Amino acid sequence: DFVMTQGALPNPVPSGESASITCQSSKSLLHSNGKTYLNWYLQRPGQSPQLLIYWMSTRASGVSDRFSGSGSGTDFTLKISSVEAEDVGIYYCQQFLDYPFTFGSGTKLEIK
Amino acid sequence: EVQVLESGGGLVQPGNSLKLSCATSGFTFSTAWMYWYRQFPEKRLEWIARIKAKSYNYATDYTESVKGRFTISRDDSKSSSYLQMTNLKEEDTAIYFCAPNNDPWGHGVMVTVSS
Repeated sequence: DFVMTQGALPNPVPSGESASITCQSSKSLLHSNGKTYLNWYLQRPGQSPQLLIYWMSTRASGVSDRFSGSGSGTDFTLKISSVEAEDVGIYYCQQFLDYPFTFGSGTKLEIK
Repeated sequence: EVQVLESGGGLVQPGNSLKLSCATSGFTFSTAWMYWYRQFPEKRLEWIARIKAKSYNYATDYTESVKGRFTISRDDSKSSSYLQMTNLKEEDTAIYFCAPNNDPWGHGVMVTVSS
């Protein structure tokens, strides 16, 4: 199975500052079609996960442009520019290149 | 607006069965690939199963731990997906979510397996 490893944040992050969350895959998520099979989700307190980014860098419908995804085949970053109170929650990366589609353990974001 | 609503959760004894339903609206269900996920008490997320659309012959895939016990299905006429769970184990205790094309996820339904 693909192992997804997420980094921690130096919480709490001051409101208005940027935050970067890292995710590393045990194998490359780059497909021969040129797409990278990585999703990012945010789970706000008391809510279900919400898709933020797919194909490593494409924002899902309705997602703020303060969120951006980047990376290579195995190392990925979700950047949140100018964090706001509504960004609080747990961020998960997920690979969907091969079965089973595995998640990272999550990165918690707290705001100061 | 896309709406996703799971139902059918509850408390069951080990070895018993349960069927979860996922009713949807607001998008073209027949072309969507339906996913089921679960979140364990410690917040770990796990993909459970996926069923593709009719044009892909309704192909299904499962995570290893549920193969032979869980069955994913869909009824395009009702814009709904289902997760039939048999021989349930205590380690299946979790919140279960469905998600058309991974977006959005429903609010989830709790399944507790305990004697």
